Amino acid sequence: ETGVTQTPRHLVMGMTNKKSLKCEQHLGHNAMYWYKQSAKKPLELMFVYSLEERVENNSVPSRFSPECPNSSHLFLHLHTLQPEDSALYLCASSHLFSGGPDTQYFGPGTRLTVL
Amino acid sequence: DAKTTQPPSMDCAEGRAANLPCNHSTISGNEYVYWYRQIHSQGPQYIIHGLKNNETNEMASLIITEDRKSSTLILPHATLRDTAVYYCIVTGLGNEKLTFGTGTRLTIIP
Repeated sequence: ETGVTQTPRHLVMGMTNKKSLKCEQHLGHNAMYWYKQSAKKPLELMFVYSLEERVENNSVPSRFSPECPNSSHLFLHLHTLQPEDSALYLCASSHLFSGGPDTQYFGPGTRLTVL
Repeated sequence: DAKTTQPPSMDCAEGRAANLPCNHSTISGNEYVYWYRQIHSQGPQYIIHGLKNNETNEMASLIITEDRKSSTLILPHATLRDTAVYYCIVTGLGNEKLTFGTGTRLTIIP
């Protein structure tokens, strides 16, 4: 257990559905991240939230909409996805501005399949 | 962030030490070397990190060369549960970006 939980662990959705992924961290961290890992590809950083403000958006399509209501929770809202969006979606958290290096701790991921 | 180079795959016998190399010849003075691993279809797991000195924790040891251009992750007594993809990442202090490459796929052989 890393202190970062993600729900659901598996999700199957149609292209017209709207769904949300949830991430919660119990580590007292002040930064949270969404990564995408497609089959046989490296992890790709999608979004970064620092102190609940979005500080990074790596050219992610608007059909992915993140939300960070507080420092412990992070959501990824999904709508009108494409089959190529099927992937493992990973959440991570870290303690930025601690005076030391930034160690990110990852959740178990949500395996998303878009039909 | 400096680029890293790792062998795509390695095998190691169970019970032996697994030594995973990483080259990071363009590392700058304030950049750390991080190691993560990812067991199939799970989230990456933090292993260890270092700046200049060798480091050891309950999972592994990290040996960094004096010129800091390469490092080796050592799993002292590999078990079957250590089979995973191991990522060597170089990142600066306070840098929120971790750039994952393709890593080394380590297979522990019974």
